[in-house]
Amino acid sequence: DAGVIQSPRHEVTEMGQEVTLRCKPISGHNSLFWYRQTMMRGLELLIYFNNNVPIDDSGMPEDRFSAKMPNASFSTLKIQPSEPRDSAVYFCASSHRSLQGRNINIQYFGAGTRLSVL
Amino acid sequence: KQEVTQIPAALSVPEGENLVLNCSFTDSAIYNLQWFRQDPGKGLTSLLLIQSSQREQTSGRLNASLDKSSGRSTLYIAASQPGDSATYLCAVRPDSSYKLIFGSGTRLLVRP
Repeated sequence: DAGVIQSPRHEVTEMGQEVTLRCKPISGHNSLFWYRQTMMRGLELLIYFNNNVPIDDSGMPEDRFSAKMPNASFSTLKIQPSEPRDSAVYFCASSHRSLQGRNINIQYFGAGTRLSVL
Repeated sequence: KQEVTQIPAALSVPEGENLVLNCSFTDSAIYNLQWFRQDPGKGLTSLLLIQSSQREQTSGRLNASLDKSSGRSTLYIAASQPGDSATYLCAVRPDSSYKLIFGSGTRLLVRP
């Protein structure tokens, strides 16, 4: 398996522009996570999907952030409008949650998207 | 609120040395604990996962221990190599939660 695939790897944009980050989870995984990593705050969970449904978006910083998962093999994280303080590395991770509800829980991370908002 | 702390923040050792990385957490009610490795410009790779009922896990030169009652975990790396240079993060999964709470990491440099 190719693992979790994120694109683009690097994104440089100007303040006010819309940014869309993409993620393809590992085939067969039914849980997907978006994280943000900064020097100041470390790794923070932004949103969690299970079976394509957003379960917890309490980590999404503001209304400028939105995430979708239209199908089991694709998710997007959108920032509109972007601001310099959104500069960070954004990671997507996926895992498999058993039908019995016990989460196997090993999360597999993508390589991340390094976002710079000027 | 669960908080995860890793000490030291950075560590530099000569090749061949055995070393210990520390992780502490404030709430002992955890489901499991994971150690990850992060290389510069790359994502996280899961190294070891310890369930709350376990005391330790081993993989090759790595050994992770868990003491829930004291809120501590250690990652032991035997016979360190330059290729072990990376940032090591520990993450706790609270009971009945899918979330991982991460520490800030220990940046390890193994000098040839």
